[in-house]
Amino acid sequence: EAQVTQNPRYLITVTGKKLTVTCSQNMNHEYMSWYRQDPGLGLRQIYYSMNVEVTDKGDVPEGYKVSRKEKRNFPLILESPSPNQTSLYFCASSPLAGGGVEQFFGPGTRLTVL
Amino acid sequence: EDQVTQSPEALRLQEGESSSLNCSYTVSGLRGLFWYRQDPGKGPEFLFTLYSAGEEKEKERLKATLTKKESFLHITAPKPEDSATYLCAVNTNAGKSTFGDGTTLTVKP
Repeated sequence: EAQVTQNPRYLITVTGKKLTVTCSQNMNHEYMSWYRQDPGLGLRQIYYSMNVEVTDKGDVPEGYKVSRKEKRNFPLILESPSPNQTSLYFCASSPLAGGGVEQFFGPGTRLTVL
Repeated sequence: EDQVTQSPEALRLQEGESSSLNCSYTVSGLRGLFWYRQDPGKGPEFLFTLYSAGEEKEKERLKATLTKKESFLHITAPKPEDSATYLCAVNTNAGKSTFGDGTTLTVKP
């Protein structure tokens, strides 16, 4: 089944404890992206990648890191999480890097930082 | 800076009562305008892509239209199962995506 998977789905952690949220897609998509969604708001783009070893900042990159060493994986790293990073996170992928094509979203990761 | 504004924030309709959702946008280098549906706690699901002014797309009770400055999502004779948050997004040449805050639609039987 074609899909985007994220792990973990739920995570409660404490301030300053490094964590990684994994994202994987099995559709051979070029483009991958991370978003956060806060109550009552739409999705805000954190980072995106148009191909292996190519990453760019979105609108809210502060406090996050990403890497794209393989086409299928795009992990989101929080080196020192803070309470303001408590949010619902979505990973997405798209067939083409040049835009203009819909994104396929993962099921989301609900992160709480105490 | 790319901007997407959706209105209204929330919309309550009776079953069968048609209405429209608005998405106004300012963006440089538009590659596409997208509509997604999002159910609570789930990832957005793709509905439509529009590329140029004048374009229209339909799917069941939904119809999306596009002008140079805004897009409308028309809902004809909605049913309770159409209740969801509808998100509008624009995609640019540089690969960036900007989403609006969404319109939460509630359809009462």
